[in-house]
Amino acid sequence: EVQLVESGGGLVQPGRSLRLSCAASGFTFDDYAMHWVRKVPGNGLEWVSGIIWNGGNTQYADSVKGRFTVSRDNAKNSLYLQMNSLRAEDTAVYYCAKDVSPAMWNMDVWGKGTTVTVSS
Amino acid sequence: SYELTQPPSVSVSPGQTARITCSGDALPKKYVFWYQQKSGQAPVLVIYEDVKRPSGIPARISGSKSGTMATLTVSGAQVDDEGDYYCYSSYATGDYRGVFGGGTSLTVL
Repeated sequence: EVQLVESGGGLVQPGRSLRLSCAASGFTFDDYAMHWVRKVPGNGLEWVSGIIWNGGNTQYADSVKGRFTVSRDNAKNSLYLQMNSLRAEDTAVYYCAKDVSPAMWNMDVWGKGTTVTVSS
Repeated sequence: SYELTQPPSVSVSPGQTARITCSGDALPKKYVFWYQQKSGQAPVLVIYEDVKRPSGIPARISGSKSGTMATLTVSGAQVDDEGDYYCYSSYATGDYRGVFGGGTSLTVL
């Protein structure tokens, strides 16, 4: 069974950093691109970032570009999101999602999410 | 920035057909994907590449697209179909940029 388990969320002050992790199991991790998607309370879903199977290409939403960095460790079956210079508007549930292809295409399986709250 | 537009809410009685639309200028050239999210749960893919249904998704859920508008149809809607539905597509050429519609809350009562 494909499983994605996010961790690393919490309460953080504006301007500080946080690193999210996603542990993958049940599939060959390095065969697939991966994504981060967030849901802001009271709002809809927002695609945040994507990374191809070998980490050689990363993409970001304009709202996080320059502040967030996505990476992966295929030896550890893990995906990461380094979030710097956090803002109140980054408060959201962050989901890790598996792509259907090695390149970025679309997401077919999601984790349950981890909550990030940015507040002083 | 590019946007996908959905109606905020759709309401039908059990057994009726619910249609949720998603409009965007790039849709004639880009695939649309649909996700269902129930309260407190992770999103679930229900339609991919405009019209295809993943295994395990009931046949009463279908997708279509014409020009700049895609439509998710739930035929014979059941209470279990309630939730938020999001369309998704990419819009950049070369680089990848994903975008979700604003979401549509489907109520079956």
